Amino acid sequence: GQSLEQPSEVTAVEGAIVQINCTYQTSGFYGLSWYQQHDGGAPTFLSYNALDGLEETGRFSSFLSRSDSYGYLLLQELQMKDSASYFCAAWGSSNTGKLIFGQGTTLQVKP
Amino acid sequence: EAEVAQSPRYKITEKSQAVAFWCDPISGHATLYWYRQILGQGPELLVQFQDESVVDDSQLPKDRFSAERLKGVDSTLKIQPAELGDSAMYLCASSLAGQSYEQYFGPGTRLTVT
Repeated sequence: GQSLEQPSEVTAVEGAIVQINCTYQTSGFYGLSWYQQHDGGAPTFLSYNALDGLEETGRFSSFLSRSDSYGYLLLQELQMKDSASYFCAAWGSSNTGKLIFGQGTTLQVKP
Repeated sequence: EAEVAQSPRYKITEKSQAVAFWCDPISGHATLYWYRQILGQGPELLVQFQDESVVDDSQLPKDRFSAERLKGVDSTLKIQPAELGDSAMYLCASSLAGQSYEQYFGPGTRLTVT
């Protein structure tokens, strides 16, 4: 089967750094994506890692270790608007290359 | 900026009634997805189209759900009959072919079955 695990909730203060971890078990793994979803909104694409290492996009960075079946999303200089749910999603070959989403991590940023 | 369009945004229906959702993907996106998202959970893929062909409907409850994308552009998802357990957010997404890792989501349809 295919599954992803991530913490259900994380709390941090404005200006801090927070890391959201994701471990996965999936066959034919291609890469790991991250999505952000605000309450009542639609998921929006943040990043994709196909290779091991760190990818940086502004305040957000994403890391992948294929040997450890592990990745994380790093959010720096937290702002109140970063309060949202964050989903890791594994892209695998299976038979259609569909995206399998984790259950999501709710990030609460406090002043 | 191009967006995925969905309608309606909200739908309240009674148990055993039929309901339909519509999605118009971003122009040029060959791959279209329908997801169901229950509050507090991640999106679950119901059906994936490549152009007009279904490439994955393994999680679609085919006894009551149907989906079509006749001309390979917009798509309709239907539920008949609706059940109480179908209450959820139904999300449509699209992507370029071969780039399922980067999907663009519509605003969703919030379905409540009473």
